[in-house]
Amino acid sequence: QKEVEQNSGPLSVPEGAIASLNCTYSDRGSQSFFWYRQYSGKSPELIMFIYSNGDKEDGRFTAQLNKASQYVSLLIRDSQPSDSATYLCAVRSGGYNKLIFGAGTRLAVHP
Amino acid sequence: DVKVTQSSRYLVKRTGEKVFLECVQDMDHENMFWYRQDPGLGLRLIYFSYDVKMKEKGDIPEGYSVSREKKERFSLILESASTNQTSMYLCASSQMTVHEQYFGPGTRLTVT
Repeated sequence: QKEVEQNSGPLSVPEGAIASLNCTYSDRGSQSFFWYRQYSGKSPELIMFIYSNGDKEDGRFTAQLNKASQYVSLLIRDSQPSDSATYLCAVRSGGYNKLIFGAGTRLAVHP
Repeated sequence: DVKVTQSSRYLVKRTGEKVFLECVQDMDHENMFWYRQDPGLGLRLIYFSYDVKMKEKGDIPEGYSVSREKKERFSLILESASTNQTSMYLCASSQMTVHEQYFGPGTRLTVT
């Protein structure tokens, strides 16, 4: 059983819309959650992290965490074509700051 | 800004060669990680290190070894490269008390 699951997509949204990316995880003891953006051929870039239940906003990005339901989501408001990328969800698991990554959701924002 | 650099962006090696991939970070991070990324399989942890000369196996350590002689440098070694080790290799680092990992640009390795 995968420990971090994401819908592979592609998720296609029109420019200006809200993109909603979801992630579920299996380890109920997980404490830290991260969203990375990865453009094709590039390395992952950290865009958000969240540790507490609820919402955390940073510009056009909002991370939402629900530990009881074991899911974390990323909302991108006013989506732009430059947001087209693969978004990786990562969960801290165990010691030494190891992260478990989902396989990623590909987002396509079309004009 | 955290800077993680990797020795090569692209590398082509022959089957059976010994391959060294180097990673250097300039932020005095305690933790360093090596991943490989393959289409459909996501990021998979090969090895990580939480201190100089310390190493821990990740999920797929077979066929790889690592070396960390200095805090800022973490090397991945393919003892005898095989075609199934053709992949994108990503290095990352993080502080001990802060959990975010920062990635280098990656090395695309092709083994022929």
